[in-house]
Amino acid sequence: DTGVSQDPRHKITKRGQNVTFRCDPISEHNRLYWYRQTLGQGPEFLTYFQNEAQLEKSRLLSDRFSAERPKGSFSTLEIQRTEQGDSAMYLCASSSSWTQYFGPGTRLTVL
Amino acid sequence: QQQVKQSPQSLIVQKGGISIINCAYENTAFDYFPWYQQFPGKGPALLIAIRPDVSEKKEGRFTISFNKSAKQFSLHIMDSQPGDSATYFCAARPGFGNEKLTFGTGTRLTIIP
Repeated sequence: DTGVSQDPRHKITKRGQNVTFRCDPISEHNRLYWYRQTLGQGPEFLTYFQNEAQLEKSRLLSDRFSAERPKGSFSTLEIQRTEQGDSAMYLCASSSSWTQYFGPGTRLTVL
Repeated sequence: QQQVKQSPQSLIVQKGGISIINCAYENTAFDYFPWYQQFPGKGPALLIAIRPDVSEKKEGRFTISFNKSAKQFSLHIMDSQPGDSATYFCAARPGFGNEKLTFGTGTRLTIIP
């Protein structure tokens, strides 16, 4: 059990560029979650997958955001036409029951 | 609408003392209440969690107290140590079928020698 991993750990981009983040969950965890955390705040739910099916999306997830989990294993979160307000820590978590285990996050800075 | 209110925002406790962080919720459908610890630059790590069928759960120096009628729960850290200095988040979620964790705003805990 190597834990949830995320890549990259840090991303600096210019406004208007597209970015993609990857999450590798704990093996055999069928549930995968994306959260966003801004400075001084708790994580906010973005979306959730059970296996490859995306079952819930927050209204925080505008049409510039898309998430996939094509084979029910790793997941990607893409942000198109980034805005300065997208600067945050993007956290991935996985679970097989009640407990959600978080990865180290990807810190996005939009200049 | 903030569904989980956490207090205090920051807390300073002397080494060996008891740290107490409180949370209150509004949604009566919440059925699972975890506490997470987060160090700077790291993801949240689960400390301890409780379901509403018990009023208290203890794991080592960490205890959750749960008051269902008041819709409140708290984290007690006994014999607080400098290594406990971190930000603590309470969270809540409904039962299976609704997986979303709703987090409080966090408490920055500092343990001083």
